[in-house]
Amino acid sequence: DAGITQSPRHKVTETGTPVTLRCHQTENHRYMYWYRQDPGHGLRLIHYSYGVKDTDKGEVSDGYSVSRSKTEDFLLTLESATSSQTSVYFCAISEATGPTFFGSGTRLTVV
Amino acid sequence: GIQVEQSPPDLILQEGANSTLRCNFSDSVNNLQWFHQNPWGQLINLFYIPSGTKQNGRLSATTVATERYSLLYISSSQTTDSGVYFCAVERNTGNQFYFGTGTSLTVIP
Repeated sequence: DAGITQSPRHKVTETGTPVTLRCHQTENHRYMYWYRQDPGHGLRLIHYSYGVKDTDKGEVSDGYSVSRSKTEDFLLTLESATSSQTSVYFCAISEATGPTFFGSGTRLTVV
Repeated sequence: GIQVEQSPPDLILQEGANSTLRCNFSDSVNNLQWFHQNPWGQLINLFYIPSGTKQNGRLSATTVATERYSLLYISSSQTTDSGVYFCAVERNTGNQFYFGTGTSLTVIP
């Protein structure tokens, strides 16, 4: 299994609070991604990174920010959580060519 | 973005049966992958297959990029094959993957 660790695995938070999810890799892959998975929508890209401090928006980036200060860590922040951000969040890694590997996911509930 | 359509949306098989899952996409792509999401939610990469045919045990996949489709074959299905199979395509390297909504497979003993 690719070395990808997501933390926390589960989180319940209140509307309006900031939340940070962490993805840590031990594979030294260049590209890192944050996806959310919702029923009826499949997986949708939130943000991705193509190197340290190099990030770009995905399909559903509103309300989210990311940071990558080290190759191995990619953080996803919800500045002010809303109920619509209740979802399962997956981190993924890849090289320029070759397969993409996913972490185990973080289940976030905003109440 | 790129539209990705998977068929069938749901499939129920008797153990030992064979099946073919299809993925159609709306534009030229640089990359195509198949994933299996098991009942515990884990996403497993099955194939990285931008073109051609690959085989891995009972699974094989074929991508015809010029005709914008890919097929995933599952032979002699087992209950452990149950889950959701996703196709994902990428237009440019290291860029956004577009996922289909998946085929939900249930294999009954």
